[in-house]
Amino acid sequence: DAGITQSPRHKVTETGTPVTLRCHQTENHRYMYWYRQDPGHGLRLIHYSYGVKDTDKGEVSDGYSVSRSKTEDFLLTLESATSSQTSVYFCAIRSGDTEAFFGQGTRLTVV
Amino acid sequence: SQQGEEDPQALSIQEGENATMNCSYKTSINNLQWYRQNSGRGLVHLILIRSNEREKHSGRLRVTLDTSKKSSSLLITASRAADTASYFCATSFSARQLTFGSGTQLTVLP
Repeated sequence: DAGITQSPRHKVTETGTPVTLRCHQTENHRYMYWYRQDPGHGLRLIHYSYGVKDTDKGEVSDGYSVSRSKTEDFLLTLESATSSQTSVYFCAIRSGDTEAFFGQGTRLTVV
Repeated sequence: SQQGEEDPQALSIQEGENATMNCSYKTSINNLQWYRQNSGRGLVHLILIRSNEREKHSGRLRVTLDTSKKSSSLLITASRAADTASYFCATSFSARQLTFGSGTQLTVLP
């Protein structure tokens, strides 16, 4: 398996609280991505990074921010969690315009 | 909006039969990829086909790409119960984005 780890794997949080999800890779891949997966929607891109401190918005970025201060870590923050952000979140990595490797996912429930 | 859309959304077949899933997309691509997801797990890459390729094989998988129709198909031959999973196509037009469809749920009955 590619060296990509997401933490936490499960989290329950209250509406209005900030939440940070972590993606850690040991592959030294340049590109990192955060997706959310909801029934009927497949995977939708939230944010991606193309290098340290280089990030950009994806399709569903409202309410989310990201940071990448090191090649190996890509953090996703829900600034003020809402029930609509209850989802399964996946991190992915790529070395270029090639195949992606995925983490095992984080199941987030906002109550 | 999703770049790729899979068809059908769900497919149920008997073990030993072939399974075909289709993917349509909207814009130009560099490559198209297929992924598999077992329930509750992350996605696993199956096969990548570049825009200048028309067909590619990997084991029991056969992928075709028609860039004029903006469509691709994934054929799984001699399906097994262990092939039961969701299958997603993903389109890539640069390394910065990889856009997924909504997936096909394949059930292979023993």
